[in-house]
Amino acid sequence: QKEVEQDPGPLSVPEGAIVSLNCTYSNSAFQYFMWYRQYSRKGPELLMYTYSSGNKEDGRFTAQVDKSSKYISLFIRDSQPSDSATYLCAAYTGGFKTIFGAGTRLFVKA
Amino acid sequence: KAGVTQTPRYLIKTRGQQVTLSCSPISGHRSVSWYQQTPGQGLQFLFEYFSETQRNKGNFPGRFSGRQFSNSRSEMNVSTLELGDSALYLCASSSLGANTEAFFGQGTRLTVV
Repeated sequence: QKEVEQDPGPLSVPEGAIVSLNCTYSNSAFQYFMWYRQYSRKGPELLMYTYSSGNKEDGRFTAQVDKSSKYISLFIRDSQPSDSATYLCAAYTGGFKTIFGAGTRLFVKA
Repeated sequence: KAGVTQTPRYLIKTRGQQVTLSCSPISGHRSVSWYQQTPGQGLQFLFEYFSETQRNKGNFPGRFSGRQFSNSRSEMNVSTLELGDSALYLCASSSLGANTEAFFGQGTRLTVV
């Protein structure tokens, strides 16, 4: 079993839809949870990170962590075609090693 | 502020050869991590260096090695290349190595034929 599981998709939504991207993890030692966005032929870029459980909002993006169920979510409101990319969740224990999910490919249709 | 620079961007090598990839982190960042990205396995952690010391290593064979120089630039080396080593190799830098705010380069696309 992978430490961070993520459905690779693809996920296709119409412009303006609310997108929900999800991951589960198995290691209770994970303390920090990150979401990265990766466009084709580019390296991943950090969208946001959260510590422990709770929500964090940044513009149209909301990250949510539920440590009791080991569930990580990213919500994108008013999705745009420019949001079309691969979204990677990641988790970090503090041991200088970040574990990534497989990434979910998102397509937002105009 | 310049971002993370990886060279070369593309590389084609033959099975059995060795290859060296380079990563220049963001100025002031002392931590460099390396990852292998493939369609089947996603992003897999190779190793992390901080101030020239390897602090953690992923589950890769000994053919994969790395080092970091005093100016924080890092190199990774893969010896005796196999077809399965074809992948995008990414490096990420962060200021303290907490890796909660890591910045990635564009990667080196390695193709082994």
